[in-house]
Amino acid sequence: SAVISQKPSRDICQRGTSLTIQCQVDSQVTMMFWYRQQPGQSLTLIATANQGSEATYESGFVIDKFPISRPNLTFSTLTVSNMSPEDSSIYLCSVDLSEYTQYFGPGTRLTVL
Amino acid sequence: DQQVKQNSPSLSVQEGRISILNCDYTNSMFDYFLWYKKYPAEGPTFLISISSIKDKNEDGRFTVFLNKSAKHLSLHIVPSQPGDSAVYFCAASPYYGQNFVFGPGTRLSVLP
Repeated sequence: SAVISQKPSRDICQRGTSLTIQCQVDSQVTMMFWYRQQPGQSLTLIATANQGSEATYESGFVIDKFPISRPNLTFSTLTVSNMSPEDSSIYLCSVDLSEYTQYFGPGTRLTVL
Repeated sequence: DQQVKQNSPSLSVQEGRISILNCDYTNSMFDYFLWYKKYPAEGPTFLISISSIKDKNEDGRFTVFLNKSAKHLSLHIVPSQPGDSAVYFCAASPYYGQNFVFGPGTRLSVLP
């Protein structure tokens, strides 16, 4: 398994501002994923971040709104830009290990006022 | 269109009895399936997986059954414990490295 940490664990932000969420893994991983879980809903994949290449975004998500960095094999950031109340969600990073299983971080609970 | 469905949003079971959580999928290309458990304010925790070459996988109190022809899988928890109370998600993927699609989750309550 992997130990995954996220910062911040929660935040309350004003409309129009941006928040960067950090994800740190205790081992080197090739693939990292960012998910969103909106209130009462399931997990939705935002993008896949591989080290050394541009992130791949799922339908409905764009780089201008959710820029992602992946500077090395243990770290990634997701920025939620120009936030609106609709962005209030739990944001989770996950990693894909050799056992073909994804492990999740604890999540970042974002509330946009 | 939901590719992974969990038609029971909630389930209540008495402690010590069996919990059966169901998951249906529509994409015949899905080849690998996982179950996650999620407590409030925590990230999902991996429970158990199964690939399409098997019809059953067991790990302690948890057993997953896969019926490919019916595009159906189920998670059995025996015996159920109060600590099992959580939201359970099933997830599916067509092949290694491909992203998982998650179901909407089933909230399990195990009553003492």
